[in-house]
Amino acid sequence: EVQLVESGGGLVQPGGSLRLSCAASGFTFSSYWMHWVRQVPGKGLVWVSRINRDGSSTTYADSVKGRFTISRDNAKKTLYLQMNSLRVDDTAAYFCARELFLSGQYGVDAWGQGTTVTVSS
Amino acid sequence: EIVLTQSPGTLSLSPGERATLSCRASQSVSSSYLAWYQQTPGQAPRLLIFGASSRATGIPDRFSGSGSGTDFTLTISRLEPEDFAVYYCQHYDGSLGTFGQGTKVEIK
Repeated sequence: EVQLVESGGGLVQPGGSLRLSCAASGFTFSSYWMHWVRQVPGKGLVWVSRINRDGSSTTYADSVKGRFTISRDNAKKTLYLQMNSLRVDDTAAYFCARELFLSGQYGVDAWGQGTTVTVSS
Repeated sequence: EIVLTQSPGTLSLSPGERATLSCRASQSVSSSYLAWYQQTPGQAPRLLIFGASSRATGIPDRFSGSGSGTDFTLTISRLEPEDFAVYYCQHYDGSLGTFGQGTKVEIK
């Protein structure tokens, strides 16, 4: 069974840092591109970042570029999101997700349950 | 930057009815990179459709996707009680991912 389990969320002050982790199991982690997506409670989904299979290529939403860093450890089957210079509007549930790329078609086919980040003084 | 606009914001229908959800892109996009998701309260999103028209594993055939260019549609042929949820379209252009703002399908 494919599982993605996020951890590392919590309460942090504005300007602070947090590192989220996502432990993967049930599939060959190193074969998949991975994403982070966030969601403010009651609001819509917002794409945050994506990383390729070996970690050599990453992309970010403009709202987090220069502050967040996505990375992965394929030996540990773990995805990370290092979040620095956190702002109040970074408050959200953060989901890690697996990208499906099948026959040239894209989707995100597996999601964790999310970890909540609250940025507040 | 591509903007995805979903309509309507809320769709009020009865079980057994047909639901038609729209996703319009601000510029032409590749249908290969257009996906639809379902999210129920307190749950993670679930992939329904990838590549604009391919059903994901385990998704019932009452769900179908279509469209190209700037206009895409998710159709639920006959609403089941478990289908009342929020639906999102998403596009990835190789650099940035974008979600629509969502359409809520509620029980009339």
